[in-house]
Amino acid sequence: GAGVSQTPSNKVTEKGKYVELRCDPISGHTALYWYRQSLGQGPEFLIYFQGTGAADDSGLPNDRFFAVRPEGSVSTLKIQRTERGDSAVYLCASSPAGATRLGEQFFGPGTRLTVL
Amino acid sequence: AQSVTQPDIHITVSEGASLELRCNYSYGATPYLFWYVQSPGQGLQLLLKYFSGDTLVQGIKGFEAEFKRSQSSFNLRKPSVHWSDAAEYFCAVGPNDYKLSFGAGTTVTVRA
Repeated sequence: GAGVSQTPSNKVTEKGKYVELRCDPISGHTALYWYRQSLGQGPEFLIYFQGTGAADDSGLPNDRFFAVRPEGSVSTLKIQRTERGDSAVYLCASSPAGATRLGEQFFGPGTRLTVL
Repeated sequence: AQSVTQPDIHITVSEGASLELRCNYSYGATPYLFWYVQSPGQGLQLLLKYFSGDTLVQGIKGFEAEFKRSQSSFNLRKPSVHWSDAAEYFCAVGPNDYKLSFGAGTTVTVRA
C-alpha cells in the first residue's frame, strides 16, 4: 500500500515568508509525528498528534511553528516569518497507534526547506 | 534529559565483511532503543527496537543489536554486509516510542 507522502519535496522561500508543509499519513494510522532534520544531524522531534489533537508539541522551537490535523488524517506544518535557521528537512511519520510499546513509526521522504 | 552519541561519523567496510555501529545513550531509566536506516531518497526505516526482555534483538535485513545496560550501549551488528547496506544509520532513544532523540548518524560505505 501507499506509504507516508509529503509535499512539496522541495521548498525554497525567502526570509520572512510563510510556508506550509503537508503530510499524508498511511491510511488508518491514528498517530502522526513531525521531525526536523538539520544538515549532519539526526531527526529532532517537533510534535505528535493522536487523532486530531496535538498530544505533545513540546518540540516546536517557538511560536512561529504551528501544526494542525483537522480531520485526523492529513497534517500541515506551518512556519511563519521564516528564518535562515529554519532550513532543514522536515520529516513526517505515522503509526497505527501512538505511545504504545509496539508502535512503529513509518517515515515519509521529507520536505527539504531552504530559506534564503 | 536523554541523548544519543554515535561516535563514528563514517565507516567504510568491504562487501562480505562484518559491520558494527556504535551507539551510546544517556537516559535515567530503562529506555526504548531503536536503530533506523536512511537510504538516499528514502524515508527512515526501522531496523529493530528494544523495550525489555532479551538483550540481543534481531531485526530486519540480517541486523541485530545488543543492549548493554552497564555500558549504556546499543550497538548494531551485521555479520556480512551487502552493497545495498550502504546508507546512513541512526540510533534513537526515548521514554516511549514517539518522543525519540536521535544520534547524528553513521554513514556506511560498502566497497566491492
